Amino acid sequence: AQTVTQSQPEMSVQEAETVTLSCTYDTSESNYYLFWYKQPPSRQMILVIRQEAYKQQNATENRFSVNFQKAAKSFSLKISDSQLGDTAMYFCAFYNTNAGKSTFGDGTTLTVKP
Amino acid sequence: GAVVSQHPSWVICKSGTSVKIECRSLDFQATTMFWYRQFPKQSLMLMATSNEGSKATYEQGVEKDKFLINHASLTLSTLTVTSAHPEDSSFYICSAPTGIPNTEAFFGQGTRLTVV
Repeated sequence: AQTVTQSQPEMSVQEAETVTLSCTYDTSESNYYLFWYKQPPSRQMILVIRQEAYKQQNATENRFSVNFQKAAKSFSLKISDSQLGDTAMYFCAFYNTNAGKSTFGDGTTLTVKP
Repeated sequence: GAVVSQHPSWVICKSGTSVKIECRSLDFQATTMFWYRQFPKQSLMLMATSNEGSKATYEQGVEKDKFLINHASLTLSTLTVTSAHPEDSSFYICSAPTGIPNTEAFFGQGTRLTVV
């Protein structure tokens, strides 16, 4: 079974600053995907970014980028130029290709301060 | 992006009654959908995998007879909470994977269930 650990229950950042959310995982699988999802106060889950485990290049989506360290089983999310709308709970998720389902971390609540 | 619609957004029901939650993929077909339960400020807990045309696969500890799942078509899955009790009050979320490969999950808006 996979485990996903987000060690930062809460974080805050000033608007326009950069923040990094950490995520580590444990698995014996070789074929998997990693995701970051955002859950704002509306509670609608939104896909932020995805990383294929077989790709060495870190994924980027506009202000969002990841630092994927496969050997260390680490998958952190960097948010640049933080905006007030980035305030949300962020979940790291591990998708097991063989099992066809995801395991979510406990989440990090991020508050962007004006 | 793909759209998943979940209905209702919130529901209040009396103890002992049943309530049905619908999850629809609006612009794509989903042979698989997932049902999660989320407590306040906590993670998503997978309850079951809904499979079109076959029985749902339940996670360990989830009561099959209490949480009935039916995947009636390639765009609709329903979760029925039977004989609801106050401890069933929670936020329920569905998701459907899409993309190539079939990994990216798009989520419904969630349903807040309150059993009184």
